This record gives sequence, C-alpha cells and structure tokens, in this order.
Amino acid sequence: ETGVTQSPTHLIKTRGQQVTLRCSSQSGHNTVSWYQQALGQGPQFIFQYYREEENGRGNFPPRFSGLQFPNYSSELNVNALELDDSALYLCASSFWVGQSDTQYFGPGTRLTVL
Amino acid sequence: AQSVAQPEDQVNVAEGNPLTVKCTYSVSGNPYLFWYVQYPNRGLQFLLKYITGDNLVKGSYGFEAEFNKSQTSFHLKKPSALVSDSALYFCAVAGRGADGLTFGKGTHLIIQP
Repeated sequence: ETGVTQSPTHLIKTRGQQVTLRCSSQSGHNTVSWYQQALGQGPQFIFQYYREEENGRGNFPPRFSGLQFPNYSSELNVNALELDDSALYLCASSFWVGQSDTQYFGPGTRLTVL
Repeated sequence: AQSVAQPEDQVNVAEGNPLTVKCTYSVSGNPYLFWYVQYPNRGLQFLLKYITGDNLVKGSYGFEAEFNKSQTSFHLKKPSALVSDSALYFCAVAGRGADGLTFGKGTHLIIQP
C-alpha cells in the first residue's frame, strides 16, 4: 500500500449538487494529481498541483477545481454535478513534478451521482 | 498529444506459463512509460517504469517489461504466472510538462489454476 489516503471512500450525490473529495499525499511528496476513472475505462487526468498552484490540466470543464494546502494535502471540488460525473476519483502523489517521476495512487473515492 | 493502446481486453494464461500483456504508445519526445495494476475496488499500484537505458525493465512481483523504440511498444511480461496475478493492468505514458499520465483502457489478466 502507498501512503496516499483519500476520503471519503464512497459518496452519493444528486445531480446539481457540489462535492469535495480529499487526499493526503505520501510523506515527502510535493506534487498531487487527480484522475477520473469511469467504469470500464482507464483513468483520465483532471489536473495537477505543485506548490499550491495548478500547473497542468486535462480536458475537464472549470466546474472541476482543486486546492493544494501547505502540507501538500489536496481537495478536488466538483460543482453542478452531472450523471456522467459518476466515477472512481483517484489521487496520486509524486516526489516532484517531473514527467519521469512515479505517481503513487490512493485507493480512490467512488462517487455516484443520481 | 500522447496516446496508449492496449489491444487486448482480456488475456487468459494457465498458472505457471509465461504471460505477456501488450502495450503500444505514441508520444512526441522521450517516452516515459509506466505499468500499473488494479485489483477490484482498489487504487492503482505501481509495477515498473521505463525512463532511459536498458530496454528490459524489472519491477515488482517478478514482472518485467520490454521497451522497443522501433515498434513503439512496452509489453509487460512475467516468466511464470500466478493465480494472484489476476487483475486489471494499465499501461501509461507521461505527457509533456504537467500533462499527467495518459492511460490505456486496461487489460484484464486472468490466470487459470
């Protein structure tokens, strides 16, 4: 198991609501990335945070936003939830921001939007 | 933009036999390639990566992967499969800068006793 933790484990929301997911990075890691994994698909990159700033983003709308805190923990916020937002949300931390650095994943948060 | 293809949705192997899970990639610049494994209702677990150097990369749990630049492939291999290797395997390539990892759709590996 990695040292990356996520909460909550499961979450059920209704369409239009807002949700906040949390991630605690592995000790010593200063970069965190978030991914969305729909059922039967590979994870898709949402965004990455380094030194509390978003420094990379995938093809996700602005209603997906995030924060990174001084202790390198992170939040993913999703506004105006849609049915298609139902997925496993994975957080990954890495020692630094370089392309070659290994990302270590948490167990994920399963979000269901009704 | 980078991409990864895993051409097999499922691979079936008898326990004790060698296994191969295929992956091809497309990326501009130097390829940084990764393999992850996912067990049911779990996050992704890192197996190994290729950055540069030796084309045969050794990783966790006896897995290895062969990088082939001319064929743009990065196939995962293991000499002798275990039933406990049954899981979902993802190949990924790192994007430019902070573009994150691009994953394939995954391959279900089923090891039959």
